[in-house]
Amino acid sequence: DIQMTQSPSFVSASIGDRVTITCRASQDISRWLAWYQQKPGKAPDLLVYAASTLQSGVPSRFSASGSGTDFTLTISSLQPEDFATYYCQSANSFTFGPGTKVDI
Amino acid sequence: QVQLVQSGAEVKKPGASVKVSCKASGYSLTSQYMHWVRQAPGQGPEWMGIISPRDTTTAYAQKFQGRVTMTSDTSTSTVYMELRSLRSEDTAVYYCARGLHRAYCDFWGQGTLVSVSS
Repeated sequence: DIQMTQSPSFVSASIGDRVTITCRASQDISRWLAWYQQKPGKAPDLLVYAASTLQSGVPSRFSASGSGTDFTLTISSLQPEDFATYYCQSANSFTFGPGTKVDI
Repeated sequence: QVQLVQSGAEVKKPGASVKVSCKASGYSLTSQYMHWVRQAPGQGPEWMGIISPRDTTTAYAQKFQGRVTMTSDTSTSTVYMELRSLRSEDTAVYYCARGLHRAYCDFWGQGTLVSVSS
């Protein structure tokens, strides 16, 4: 089974900060990776698919990259609505990572 | 606009079964796969399986093999997820989610809380 890890598990940040989250797969998943944002009490929202393609409507301050086993999600200038938990997901095994909470 | 509307919260006893529905609108049900994902309190999402409403083929996470069944009814644009032999660890919010390019969950239902308690 493919295992997904994320780091850090928690980010303390301020408005305007640049935030980078890393996701690692236990084996090569090519570019089969998605990133989701989840706010309390809500379903996850798809931010990025195919490792670096922004879903329609996602602000351009979000960017993502990577292939193989190592991936990153970057928020260039943190906005109030970005405080949330972020999950990566392998899109071939569908395994989710443990999440990264971005908080003040 | 795409909408996935799920059935309401359920309370079940250990050993019972639950069947959650997910009614799709705003697109053709048979044009996209549907995933089921659950999330236990305070935990991350956990993928359960996927169904192709077009031909009813399914694939389940190994953890749920033998205990879960996903079905679809194209006449009502509804997919279903049944989980059997419930235990307390199955207490979670269950989501359906449309599969963009099969693999990516682009639209999600509102979630259905299933509580399992004696």
